[in-house]
Amino acid sequence: DADVTQTPRNRITKTGKRIMLECSQTKGHDRMYWYRQDPGLGLRLIYYSFDVKDINKGEISDGYSVSRQAQAKFSLSLESAIPNQTALYFCATSDWGLRGIGSSTDTQYFGPGTRLTVL
Amino acid sequence: AQSVTQLDSHVSVSEGTPVLLRCNYSSSYSPSLFWYVQHPNKGLQLLLKYTSAATLVKGINGFEAEFKKSETSFHLTKPSAHMSDAAEYFCVVSGGNRDDKIIFGKGTRLHILP
Repeated sequence: DADVTQTPRNRITKTGKRIMLECSQTKGHDRMYWYRQDPGLGLRLIYYSFDVKDINKGEISDGYSVSRQAQAKFSLSLESAIPNQTALYFCATSDWGLRGIGSSTDTQYFGPGTRLTVL
Repeated sequence: AQSVTQLDSHVSVSEGTPVLLRCNYSSSYSPSLFWYVQHPNKGLQLLLKYTSAATLVKGINGFEAEFKKSETSFHLTKPSAHMSDAAEYFCVVSGGNRDDKIIFGKGTRLHILP
């Protein structure tokens, strides 16, 4: 989806290096997410942000940090990359909204992914 | 809290035969449910979503899914498989609360046999 872009698309780096993955969106959504995908494990949530001042850890946040520079930008950093962080990383936005009492809609829109290899 | 289980990690069907990908969920509130597809070396694309309107949801490429509250299921079906349907499919649940996270199933890889 061209409305959500990720840079770089591919990156090979060495153990111990600091890496930043960037995500930008033009959908005007408040919510943004970072996931990693590993074969057989589906997508696992690293960090998520409900708005610029609201950032939360996901299920696998250790070794990662994020920055929400603006509504449209959400960056993921690996402070000191290690080989088991080799994965496909996806950024997503969502259009959360209420659709009635006790229910909501929350469709996610994904970027094209960044393939990261840590040697 | 919510969870989602995709009952098969791999499904193989012959071209032209029906497709059934199974998904069960749990949610404390009225959930939103989604199916996403990921073709090889591609990102995720929304196939269809259920948000408490009609229980039978039609998506793109001839896929549909039926929300069955009594069975807590949201199985994905297609009457006739095509070679281009070969991909990985993810069932996703989102709870009704503002702070609920979106939960992905582990995926089902669909193989289409000629």
